[in-house]
Amino acid sequence: EAGVTQSPTHLIKTRGQQATLRCSPISGHTSVYWYQQALGLGLQFLLWYDEGEERNRGNFPPRFSGRQFPNYSSELNVNALELEDSALYLCASSLGRVQPQHFGDGTRLSIL
Amino acid sequence: QKEVEQNSGPLSVPEGAIASLNCTYSDRGSQSFFWYRQYSGKSPELIMFIYSNGDKEDGRFTAQLNKASQYVSLLIRDSQPSDSATYLCAVSNTGGFKTIFGAGTRLFVKA
Repeated sequence: EAGVTQSPTHLIKTRGQQATLRCSPISGHTSVYWYQQALGLGLQFLLWYDEGEERNRGNFPPRFSGRQFPNYSSELNVNALELEDSALYLCASSLGRVQPQHFGDGTRLSIL
Repeated sequence: QKEVEQNSGPLSVPEGAIASLNCTYSDRGSQSFFWYRQYSGKSPELIMFIYSNGDKEDGRFTAQLNKASQYVSLLIRDSQPSDSATYLCAVSNTGGFKTIFGAGTRLFVKA
């Protein structure tokens, strides 16, 4: 069974640009979660999508947004990139909201 | 008070010993509890999950949950150098609308 897949693996942008990160969940999983992990820091919850709807978001500005497609894949968009957005962005999927989350390998976003 | 608290460590144990990792949480209505292992530069890997009070064993790992004390722990028996990693405690809040991760405990297993 394929795990959670994320693309791209690495992404280099400059300040002010926009970034799009993609995630495909484990087959059968309807919930997708996005987290930010800055270097040496813990996971910060960004967004949760389930059945195509945004169910919850963390304490991040509106320039962090996303969506979930009918096939349950998801993308995270970050507009007006800032230097402090440099981090590992992790996507996870689960069968439901209290079920274990399984993580992809992440996208490392670097802002120059 | 942080929602999920872990001792940052590092926790150092000799090979073959029992490593005990602890986590406390603030939301008394929390329903689901998870332990993840994260190697440096890698993504978190699910090790254990527990929903009910008591112990749950899987191989060398035992998760312990005490909802009255708002405390969850992970025991690693016969620790190996390959167990050296950061261990993340995660808790789903009341209603399960958010899973909150602790900052993690770094474990070193000395050969």
